[in-house]
Amino acid sequence: AQTVTQSQPEMSVQEAETVTLSCTYDTSESDYYLFWYKQPPSRQMILVIRQEAYKQQNATENRFSVNFQKAAKSFSLKISDSQLGDAAMYFCAYRSATGNQFYFGTGTSLTVIP
Amino acid sequence: KAGVTQTPRYLIKTRGQQVTLSCSPISGHRSVSWYQQTPGQGLQFLFEYFSETQRNKGNFPGRFSGRQFSNSRSEMNVSTLELGDSALYLCASSLFGTGDLTPEAFFGQGTRLTVV
Repeated sequence: AQTVTQSQPEMSVQEAETVTLSCTYDTSESDYYLFWYKQPPSRQMILVIRQEAYKQQNATENRFSVNFQKAAKSFSLKISDSQLGDAAMYFCAYRSATGNQFYFGTGTSLTVIP
Repeated sequence: KAGVTQTPRYLIKTRGQQVTLSCSPISGHRSVSWYQQTPGQGLQFLFEYFSETQRNKGNFPGRFSGRQFSNSRSEMNVSTLELGDSALYLCASSLFGTGDLTPEAFFGQGTRLTVV
C-alpha cells in the first residue's frame, strides 16, 4: 500500500521569507502523481501544485515550486515570498496513474508571522 | 464553472441515528469520491463512484454506504451513528475515467458531522 509521510507537524515563516515543507512517500509503482493541497480554516482543500512522476522537471506555480526526487521518493514544497494568506494546513498527496484514490500525509500546519 | 457543492455544511446527530450527506460535483465530472477527515486518523478514503457504480471502497464498516445518481450527484449515508463517526466528510470530483488526463481532484468545503 502507498504511504505518504509528512514529518513536520508545524512550521512557521516570516512574511516575505521562504519556507520548505517536506514529504516522502512509498510506492512500488512507476507511474503516479503527487500533489500539494492547502486547507485553510474554511476547510476546503485547494490544489496548490501537482507533479507527474514521468516528468523530470520540477513543477512551478508562481511562488510555489517543488523539489521532486523520484529515486529518493521525496516531494518537497517551497513557498517563496510567503504571504499571510499562505497560512493553512498543507497536505501532500499521492495518486496512482491507474486509480483514483488519493493517499494523504498527516499535514503540516504553516503559520506566517507578520 | 461552479465548484463542488456539499450539503449540509454542519450536522449534529445523536448516537444510533442515521445521516445522509450530499455532494454535487463539478459539471462534467463523473467521478465522485468521499473522504473522512479526523484529527486522529487524518484523511481516509471511503469510496469512489463513477457513472452510478462504486468503483473503489476503503476500509470502513458497512454502516458507511453511498450512491451516485445519473446526474453524477452523490450521497453518502451512515447508519447507526457512533461517537467516533464525528468528522469532516469531504467530497471530491474529478475527470478520472472520462478520457481526460487531468489528474487532480477538486474538493468541496465538507460537511462537519458531530455525533452526540
